[in-house]
Amino acid sequence: DQQVKQNSPSLSVQEGRISILNCDYTNSMFDYFLWYKKYPAEGPTFLISISSIKDKNEDGRFTVFLNKSAKHLSLHIVPSQPGDSAVYFCAASRRRGTGTASKLTFGTGTRLQVTL
Amino acid sequence: DAGVTQSPTHLIKTRGQQVTLRCSPISGHKSVSWYQQVLGQGPQFIFQYYEKEERGRGNFPDRFSARQFPNYSSELNVNALLLGDSALYLCASSRQGTDTQYFGPGTRLTVL
Repeated sequence: DQQVKQNSPSLSVQEGRISILNCDYTNSMFDYFLWYKKYPAEGPTFLISISSIKDKNEDGRFTVFLNKSAKHLSLHIVPSQPGDSAVYFCAASRRRGTGTASKLTFGTGTRLQVTL
Repeated sequence: DAGVTQSPTHLIKTRGQQVTLRCSPISGHKSVSWYQQVLGQGPQFIFQYYEKEERGRGNFPDRFSARQFPNYSSELNVNALLLGDSALYLCASSRQGTDTQYFGPGTRLTVL
């Protein structure tokens, strides 16, 4: 049962253009969402997160949008740079409210290639 | 500040053997989680520990066990290794009161 889905295995974007990575989830109990970037032979690097009480969060070139009614979130990267080429994972969790982070449920990832 | 560290980087074992993987969290982080990532998939949750107590367990067999030490470092043990245990094992830590987990570089386990 894949509760977090990234339906696009790969995406190719020209340098300077916008990259849009999509993620869908099925579990309505998820209330915290994160995006991670992963290079080969490295662990995932945290990029940006969003709580379910918001519909948008920005951090520099990265913006995450959340549509709770559609159970959909997206990561926008503007402008895209060659160094952004990596695998991007969407993750979701259900906050405990007890002070400790909850387990993350990941999608299968989208490989982004930014071309010159 | 140093990030999450894991050792060893790579490991090769044969079926039936046992393995121990180690993780040191970011300084000040008291929660450690373990994930398994097989090729082509996202990481799958194995265990979470906080203040030396197990706070969560994923859908993994009893061959998998873990513990957390007083200095908040952690070990993941896998007994009776199977070929299917070949994967990247990731450790993540988080600060109390926050929901973001930070990952280490992982340990690549190959079971022959």
